[in-house]
Amino acid sequence: AQRVTQPEKLLSVFKGAPVELKCNYSYSGSPELFWYVQYSRQRLQLLLRHISRESIKGFTADLNKGETSFHLKKPFAQEEDSAMYYCALFNAGNMLTFGGGTRLMVKP
Amino acid sequence: EAGVAQSPRYKIIEKRQSVAFWCNPISGHATLYWYQQILGQGPKLLIQFQNNGVVDDSQLPKDRFSAERLKGVDSTLKIQPAKLEDSAVYLCASSLSGQALNYGYTFGSGTRLTVV
Repeated sequence: AQRVTQPEKLLSVFKGAPVELKCNYSYSGSPELFWYVQYSRQRLQLLLRHISRESIKGFTADLNKGETSFHLKKPFAQEEDSAMYYCALFNAGNMLTFGGGTRLMVKP
Repeated sequence: EAGVAQSPRYKIIEKRQSVAFWCNPISGHATLYWYQQILGQGPKLLIQFQNNGVVDDSQLPKDRFSAERLKGVDSTLKIQPAKLEDSAVYLCASSLSGQALNYGYTFGSGTRLTVV
């Protein structure tokens, strides 16, 4: 069975501080992971994909197979980063399994 | 391109009533998904379609939930009869066939269902 765990329901930081949103997974196959974001009153949207090794809006995420983690990081948080963040695991059946989400609040 | 369209945006019904949700995916997206998102939780997959065929419905409570995608485009999700615990946001998403890994899913705005 596959599972995605986001241990923090809420993460509150000040503007300019570093951010790390934690994500751990369990999956017997080769994992492919995503981060999705939902800003207030907007749709759930793709933030970044493990497969592309990209940096979007200053966010990066590295897959650590030894620790089964895919933490999302940003060196300097901005107020506009405040949103719900969901880590998701893509399986061989082309289906995404989501974690419970972490609400990021960036205070001025 | 137009996004994934869902209707209605909100629905309030009494328990034991029935309700239906509609989804129109992005044109050309053969794969369509319905997710249930209960308040405070992440989205949970209910059913996946490939064109008009069901790929996976293992998490769909089939005693009360049903879904169809008769012509391989629009889809409807129905609940009959509704229970209080069905209160949630129902999300529809679509992807190009075989391209979900590269491009992810595109989600609709969702339908917020409240069962009273």
